[in-house]
Amino acid sequence: GENVEQHPSTLSVQEGDSAVIKCTYSDSASNYFPWYKQELGKRPQLIIDIRSNVGEKKDQRIAVTLNKTAKHFSLHITETQPEDSAVYFCAASDSGGGADGLTFGKGTHLIIQP
Amino acid sequence: NAGVTQTPKFRVLKTGQSMTLLCAQDMNHEYMYWYRQDPGMGLRLIHYSVGEGTTAKGEVPDGYNVSRLKKQNFLLGLESAAPSQTSVYFCASSQGEQYFGPGTRLTVT
Repeated sequence: GENVEQHPSTLSVQEGDSAVIKCTYSDSASNYFPWYKQELGKRPQLIIDIRSNVGEKKDQRIAVTLNKTAKHFSLHITETQPEDSAVYFCAASDSGGGADGLTFGKGTHLIIQP
Repeated sequence: NAGVTQTPKFRVLKTGQSMTLLCAQDMNHEYMYWYRQDPGMGLRLIHYSVGEGTTAKGEVPDGYNVSRLKKQNFLLGLESAAPSQTSVYFCASSQGEQYFGPGTRLTVT
């Protein structure tokens, strides 16, 4: 089955700086890669996703890049703000929008230092 | 439009007891899922359903059963709870993007 590795497990950055979280996946058939943000005690919420026919996608301060050859994808957050502090999870699926479920990485705790 | 709801929010069970977690969605989604979340482990798929009357095993199905008798509901059952099933359980539904419920925190003593 699919295996998703996520790094780093903890990331501390100064407010205003950029943050990058990286994930690798094992199944070359995977074609859908969402990123979720989870605040303490809350449910995971989708912040951005990318499909395998696209190399990069942006939404305001958030961007995701995908390298299918290397089987890795990354989340980039620019101009970080205190409200960006949370745990971020990457995930992968080989069923388009994740119909057969998602395989998640173990998460990155992002800390924004004032 | 409540989205995805879960019942109950919290529960404490003794080893060997049984219980059912209920997930309901009002978005008319075909696909529904049960995940468990443990510290440092991310979310792991327990079972899922691609439509009313269908279920399938995920990554960690042992000790759990599920049923999808109605399109809007997905039930997760624990027949004989074990301490290893102490976790936070999240339900999700999808018609493309997965939407998660608020979670159920289960403790088995």
